[in-house]
Amino acid sequence: EDKVVQSPLSLVVHEGDTVTLNCSYEVTNFRSLLWYKQEKKAPTFLFMLTSSGIEKKSGRLSSILDKKELFSILNITATQTGDSAIYLCAANNNAGNMLTFGGGTRLMVKP
Amino acid sequence: EADIYQTPRYLVIGTGKKITLECSQTMGHDKMYWYQQDPGMELHLIHYSYGVNSTEKGDLSSESTVSRIRTEHFPLTLESARPSHTSQYLCASSWPGPTYEQYFGPGTRLTVT
Repeated sequence: EDKVVQSPLSLVVHEGDTVTLNCSYEVTNFRSLLWYKQEKKAPTFLFMLTSSGIEKKSGRLSSILDKKELFSILNITATQTGDSAIYLCAANNNAGNMLTFGGGTRLMVKP
Repeated sequence: EADIYQTPRYLVIGTGKKITLECSQTMGHDKMYWYQQDPGMELHLIHYSYGVNSTEKGDLSSESTVSRIRTEHFPLTLESARPSHTSQYLCASSWPGPTYEQYFGPGTRLTVT
């Protein structure tokens, strides 16, 4: 059975801190790993990673994949209160774009 | 910009009622999905569709049913709502293939009393 595990479950930091969120996966026929940000409603797409060692970056957010060790990290630098959300990691198998989601990391950024 | 819509956004309904949650997308995506998410928990896939007239059950067993008569429309129906159906239901769509991200709708928060 495919499995995605995220850690920590929750995290409280202050504005300006840097955070690292972890995602490990066990997926048959792994194809890609996705990160989403979920505030009060729908998850919004952040990154898709398909190759090991290649960092994807968008502003203060960056992510990297290690296909040998089966994990990914999401880094957020200089955190802001608007970064407060649940961050979801999902692994995609090769069987037609089916995502297995992790339980999410709840990030709270205090002023 | 992703355009995927869900209605209603919130629904409180009594036990035994039949309900249909609507999901529409204007991107022409072939694949559509329904997820169920309890507060603070993972998203679980309950139904998906590869295209018109195609529907499949997901990993999480659900008493709901779906239909896909038009590409843009993927409604979910509960014939007789129960309190155990109280949850958030998220609809998503994507192009086929594992290198395309799924776009999510805003969700329907269902409460069955």
